[in-house]
Amino acid sequence: RKEVEQDPGPFNVPEGATVAFNCTYSNSASQSFFWYRQDCRKEPKLLMSVYSSGNEDGRFTAQLNRASQYISLLIRDSKLSDSATYLCVVTDTGGFKTIFGAGTRLFVKA
Amino acid sequence: GAGVSQTPSNKVTEKGKYVELRCDPISGHTALYWYRQSLGQGPEFLIYFQGTGAADDSGLPNDRFFAVRPEGSVSTLKIQRTERGDSAVYLCASSLDSGGATEQFFGPGTRLTVL
Repeated sequence: RKEVEQDPGPFNVPEGATVAFNCTYSNSASQSFFWYRQDCRKEPKLLMSVYSSGNEDGRFTAQLNRASQYISLLIRDSKLSDSATYLCVVTDTGGFKTIFGAGTRLFVKA
Repeated sequence: GAGVSQTPSNKVTEKGKYVELRCDPISGHTALYWYRQSLGQGPEFLIYFQGTGAADDSGLPNDRFFAVRPEGSVSTLKIQRTERGDSAVYLCASSLDSGGATEQFFGPGTRLTVL
């Protein structure tokens, strides 16, 4: 079993749609959780950190369920510019080793 | 300010050769990470430096891979006796603090092709 698993997609949605991505992780002692965004042939960039209380940044909402070892990302009112690969990221118990999921590809079409 | 830079941007080498990949982190960032990314996959952790020391090198695939950060700033990833399976994009990232709780800033990567 992979340490961090994501649905690879691709997700093809129209502009304005709401789309949700899920991620599961295997190490129950993992410490920190993030969503990164990666555009084609570019480096990953932090989208948002994920907290147990849930957090929101504009159109983006992230949730963490430690009991189920599950992380989610919700994108509301999708824009063409949201088209990218979304990477689920978990750090281990020491807080050093960072594990990336394989990513979920999103295509937003006009 | 300047971001993370990596050189070269592209490297083509022959099987069996030695290569060095360089990473210049953001000034003042004490933590530095190396990853490699294959097509269609997420970045794969290789090694983490806190200052000059490798705090976690558990991701290095075998003893052909080695990384140094002698002065706590610039880092070099060294690959001996390259194999075709080493072909990938090698990414470097830095962060302000130790541990994994802070944002990592990535460089543009070095695309390594082993013929």
